[in-house]
Amino acid sequence: NAGVMQNPRHLVRRRGQEARLRCSPMKGHSHVYWYRQLPEEGLKFMVYLQKENIIDESGMPKERFSAEFPKEGPSILRIQQVVRGDSAAYFCASSPTGQINEKLFFGSGTQLSVL
Amino acid sequence: AQSVTQLDSQVPVFEEAPVELRCNYSSSVSVYLFWYVQYPNQGLQLLLKYLSGSTLVESINGFEAEFNKSQTSFHLRKPSVHISDTAEYFCAVNSQTSFSGGYNKLIFGAGTRLAVHP
Repeated sequence: NAGVMQNPRHLVRRRGQEARLRCSPMKGHSHVYWYRQLPEEGLKFMVYLQKENIIDESGMPKERFSAEFPKEGPSILRIQQVVRGDSAAYFCASSPTGQINEKLFFGSGTQLSVL
Repeated sequence: AQSVTQLDSQVPVFEEAPVELRCNYSSSVSVYLFWYVQYPNQGLQLLLKYLSGSTLVESINGFEAEFNKSQTSFHLRKPSVHISDTAEYFCAVNSQTSFSGGYNKLIFGAGTRLAVHP
């Protein structure tokens, strides 16, 4: 029973390029959360998605960032025209029903480095 | 606004010694509190949580945390640590409430690195 899978594990981009981060939730889970961890800081909520729907994107920067969770395939966090300040660890978590205080299952994260 | 403060960024301790990892929160709504642990090169895993009822909650591997409303704290303790407890520990509060049909919008502290030495 595979856990939450994130890839790539490490991603290096130059300023101005696009970064695409993928998250495959646990089998049977239809709720996905994305969090970002900047150096020396805690994880910060970015977005909460259900299949084909964005429920809460209040933590997403207004520009350059987008997220999707299609009917088929992984959830994608897309960062256009990356800047140095986007360098961070990006974690994805999934849960089966989305109920409040339900256990979240986290992936190992994608470390994005912007040169 | 809700926030979580973990007072120690690093805690070194010898094997079999007791440890306490401190966590304070600020919240104006019903409080749901969590401790997550991240072992090297792995994702975060839920260690324990407080939702309601008994203020002392325990995990299966010997950790416990006590919800203290008057001090707005949720400190994590273990009476005797093992080398295998070396990890980063994150305290979190859910910013949502069940009354609003909420979901898991967690606010995390900055983490505490526990280093257990032989």
